[in-house]
Amino acid sequence: GQQVMQIPQYQHVQEGEDFTTYCNSSTTLSNIQWYKQRPGGHPVFLIQLVKSGEVKKQKRLTFQFGEAKKNSSLHITATQTTDVGTYFCAEINTGTASKLTFGTGTRLQVTL
Amino acid sequence: EPEVTQTPSHQVTQMGQEVILRCVPISNHLYFYWYRQILGQKVEFLVSFYNNEISEKSEIFDDQFSVERPDGSNFTLKIRSTKLEDSAMYFCASNRQGADSPLHFGNGTRLTVT
Repeated sequence: GQQVMQIPQYQHVQEGEDFTTYCNSSTTLSNIQWYKQRPGGHPVFLIQLVKSGEVKKQKRLTFQFGEAKKNSSLHITATQTTDVGTYFCAEINTGTASKLTFGTGTRLQVTL
Repeated sequence: EPEVTQTPSHQVTQMGQEVILRCVPISNHLYFYWYRQILGQKVEFLVSFYNNEISEKSEIFDDQFSVERPDGSNFTLKIRSTKLEDSAMYFCASNRQGADSPLHFGNGTRLTVT
C-alpha cells in the first residue's frame, strides 16, 4: 500500500529554536498538503504544494516540495509554544481522485 | 466560517453493537470523507463519497462499514457489529473538488467499544 513516512516521529525543542519535519513518499506525487493537529483537536489544513521544487512561506513556516515530487519538508523558524502539535503531510497519488493519504506525522513539543 | 459538524462527540458502545456516527459537511462541498485515528497514531483514510456513491475505500472499510447520505445535509458512517479494535476517533471531512482541494475536518467522534 501507499506509504508516507515522516521523520522525525517526535521532536522536543526550546522556544526560539528551529524545527523541520520531512515527508517521503514511495511514489511520485501529483501534489502534497500539510496539516496541523493540536493536542485533542482535528487536522487543520495549512498549505498545498503542486509544482516540482515549489517553496511557499506562511510567516515563520516554510514549505518545500522536492524536485522529483517524492518528498516535502516543513520548516518552522523560531518556534513558539503555539506551534505545539502534530504536523502531517498528506499526499494524493497520481491516478486517484479522492483519496488523501496522511503521513505518519511529526509531534512537536515546545517548551520555554 | 462554515464548519463540518459531527455528533455525538463521544460514543460508548458494547462489542457487537451497531453504531451510527453522524456528520453535516459544509453545504457547498461535494466530496465527503471518513477518517479514523487510533490514539496517538496517524490519520487513516476509510472512505470517500461523491455524487451519492463511494469513490474510494481503504482495506479498513470492510463489510462491517457503510456510509450513507440520507438527505441533503447529513453524511453517516455505520459500523454494524463493533469490535474492540474499532475504538478510535472518527473524523468526517469534506471539500469542494476532491483530493486537489483542502479537507475541512469536523471535531470528531470518539468511539469507545467495551
